[in-house]
Amino acid sequence: DIQLTQSPSFLSASVGDRVTITCRASQGISSYLAWYQQKPGKAPKLLIYAASTLQSGVPSRFSGSGSGTEFTLTISSLQPEDFATYYCQQLKTFGGGTKVEIK
Amino acid sequence: EVQLVESGGGLVQPGGSLRLSCAASGFTVSSNYMSWVRQAPGKGLEWVSVIYSGGSTYYADSVKGRFTISRDNSKNTLYLQMNSLRAEDTAVYYCARSPGPTGTWFDYWGQGTLVTVSS
Repeated sequence: DIQLTQSPSFLSASVGDRVTITCRASQGISSYLAWYQQKPGKAPKLLIYAASTLQSGVPSRFSGSGSGTEFTLTISSLQPEDFATYYCQQLKTFGGGTKVEIK
Repeated sequence: EVQLVESGGGLVQPGGSLRLSCAASGFTVSSNYMSWVRQAPGKGLEWVSVIYSGGSTYYADSVKGRFTISRDNSKNTLYLQMNSLRAEDTAVYYCARSPGPTGTWFDYWGQGTLVTVSS
């Protein structure tokens, strides 16, 4: 089974910072990777699919890149509403999550 | 507008059973891959089961043989029958849609329903 390893698992940042989260797959998965944002008590929200395609309605400060085994989610300028936990996903596997908190 | 509404969660004793429902609107359940994903308290997301548009079903090893995913096309509703429940099945259960016949991501999620397995 494919495993997804996210890093870091915790990130402290300030409003306006550029933030990058990495997701590494245990074997090549082409571009079959999605990213989600989850806030406490809420369902996950799709941000990026097919590694780099922005879901409709998601702000353009979010971007995704990568293929094969290494992928990144970048938030170009962190906003107050972006403090949340982020997950990568490929088919039936989720990464462990990255919690982004206010510095 | 696409909407998914789960119901059926609650408190159940170990070894008991529960059936979750996910009522869909704005699209046809049978035309999409539909999954159940769960999240234990304070933990990450765990995929549980999927039913493909063609009717094939797959399960995580942790629930295989105990859980059954199904759908009722006339009601446009997805189900998860959970038997022989264990404490480690305690979680919020989400239903989620994968777009189109081959989408590998989840574009719409329900609000979740909490299942608590405890004596």
